[in-house]
Amino acid sequence: GEDVEQSLFLSVREGDSSVINCTYTDSSSTYLYWYKQEPGAGLQLLTYIFSNMDMKQDQRLTVLLNKKDKHLSLRIADTQTGDSAIYFCAEGTGGGNKLTFGTGTQLKVEL
Amino acid sequence: GAVVSQHPSRVICKSGTSVKIECRSLDFQATTMFWYRQFPKQSLMLMATSNEGSKATYEQGVEKDKFLINHASLTLSTLTVTSAHPEDSSFYICSAPTGTLNTEAFFGQGTRLTVV
Repeated sequence: GEDVEQSLFLSVREGDSSVINCTYTDSSSTYLYWYKQEPGAGLQLLTYIFSNMDMKQDQRLTVLLNKKDKHLSLRIADTQTGDSAIYFCAEGTGGGNKLTFGTGTQLKVEL
Repeated sequence: GAVVSQHPSRVICKSGTSVKIECRSLDFQATTMFWYRQFPKQSLMLMATSNEGSKATYEQGVEKDKFLINHASLTLSTLTVTSAHPEDSSFYICSAPTGTLNTEAFFGQGTRLTVV
């Protein structure tokens, strides 16, 4: 079955860039997503990338996709304390968007 | 982005009772919705796919008689946890796809269920 993995924890200083990495196994993934979850809350869709793209930029967020290595990353520029949260990558292969989620990365932003 | 509303956000119930959780798409129609379960400090596990006007599709290991899903309209899916037990305590989240080719999945706020 599909497997999506992330490192569990990342700590950065405010103003630095954060890079959160994700690897997946399903080569038929069509879309890859990044979600943000704050404590006790639902998931906020940050951005997504189609599998035939290498990069997508949206304001402070840059997504890089290496389809050959099945590696996805999310770069947050000028990280702020409000960016502290758990970040999930997810991959979708079918219509209607059934997603398989990664293990989540806890991002802690320190002053 | 599109809005998915989940209700209630928190519920405490006694063992043996049933609890209904609602998931509504507020500004779009969703023929399909998804129900996930999240354990503390863990990822989301897909429980079932809710299909408007037809039976839900359950993932392996999920008891369909325990987690009843009803998708009676294009904007509402409900998950009923029947005869709840403490081990059913968890965070339940729904999502609904929208956008071109249903590429964007928006999530509800989640429901924290505690069974005492």
